[in-house]
Parts: sequence; C-alpha cells; structure tokens
Amino acid sequence: SYVLTQPPSVSVAPGQTARITCGENNIGSESVHWYQQKPGQAPVLVVYDDSDRPSGIPERFSGSNSGDTATLTISRVEAGDEADYFCQVWDSSHDHYVFGTGTKVTVL
Amino acid sequence: QVQLVESGGGLVQPGKSLRLSCAASGFTFSNYAMHWVRQAPGKGLEWVGVIWYDGSNKFYEDSVKGRFTISRDNSKNTVNLQLNSLRVEDTAVYYCARARSNYIDFWGQGTLLTVSP
Repeated sequence: SYVLTQPPSVSVAPGQTARITCGENNIGSESVHWYQQKPGQAPVLVVYDDSDRPSGIPERFSGSNSGDTATLTISRVEAGDEADYFCQVWDSSHDHYVFGTGTKVTVL
Repeated sequence: QVQLVESGGGLVQPGKSLRLSCAASGFTFSNYAMHWVRQAPGKGLEWVGVIWYDGSNKFYEDSVKGRFTISRDNSKNTVNLQLNSLRVEDTAVYYCARARSNYIDFWGQGTLLTVSP
C-alpha cells in the first residue's frame, strides 16, 4: 500500500515561496489532495485533484503532480500560512485513504 | 452552512467500549459518504474508515478492522463510530468528515478520546 513521504519541516521567509513535497512511487498516476491544519483546529482542504482549489482558498496555493512526487506550492507566503500540511490519496486497490506524514511550515 | 459536530469522547479504560457520534447539518446528508479520521496527540492524520452514502459499504483501516464499526442514520443525519476493545494507542482526536469524490471537503472539530488505565 501507499506510504506518502513528506519532509518533516519547511521554513520560509515572508513573501517567499514554500514548496512541500509528497513522495511515492508513481504518485503521478493518482489524484493527490492537500490539507492545511493550524494548531488546535481541524484540517482544511486547500488543493484537490492535484491542482484545483476549493472556493475561498487563495490563488497563492497551487499544486502539481508528476512521476514520483506531488508538490504543494505556497507563493508569497504570509504569517497566517504557518501550519501543518498533509497530502492524501485514495488507495483504490485497498479501499483506503492514505495521508502523508505531514510537513510543518514555519514562517521565519 | 455545513456543520459536523462530534460528541462522545472522554476517558475510558483499555478493553472497554465507547460510541462516538457526529451530527451533520447544512447539507443533504444522505447524498454523501462519511469518514472518520483520527489524530494522536502531536502526530499526523490517520484514516479510520468510511461509510457510503446509503450505508451499503464500509471500509476500515487495518488496525481497527474488527474492533471499530461505522454506522449511519440518514433520518437523523448522524454517523456513528462504535469502538470496542480499546487500546492505549487508540488515544486521539477523532474527526468525522464529509467525502467528496476521493477526498474530504469538510471536517468537524473533533472529539478527544483518551484510553488509559
């Protein structure tokens, strides 16, 4: 089954770009979704189907997925983007959802 | 607006049972599959299971299969998680969440379950 590997942490200065990766063999063949979770709060969907944004999510959040790596990109990072981010796929062969290991984004 | 409100968490001893509930409002509940996802303190998200919109299918994560059961009552807009033979490692915040295609589009605020002697 899938093991989605994310870097434990990413640090970025305000106004710069943060890139969070989600790695698994041939993940590019799957749809990848991304969630943001701030401390003490429930997760929020920020990107679905690799690169689509739900209504209300800023255009600064974008996604891509190819080969063995999916990427969530946060442009023009703001202090309010500081949070944990998780990727997720549907493992259709086992009828399971799988979440990535999570990445803590710190805004310097 | 969409609301999911979990209840039923608390402190329970290992080996005991507990039922968590989730009350849904603001959308046509019977049209959506519903998930349970948990998060141990300081850890990542772990999918627990899903029940289809009509209750006809249920799928579970391997470590809870045979111990946990998801059910729903579409007349009451509720989804439940029955947890049996609880273990210390089941300690977590349990979220109910609405399914959309193969992702989750809305989450409740969660209920904390602590399993401790």
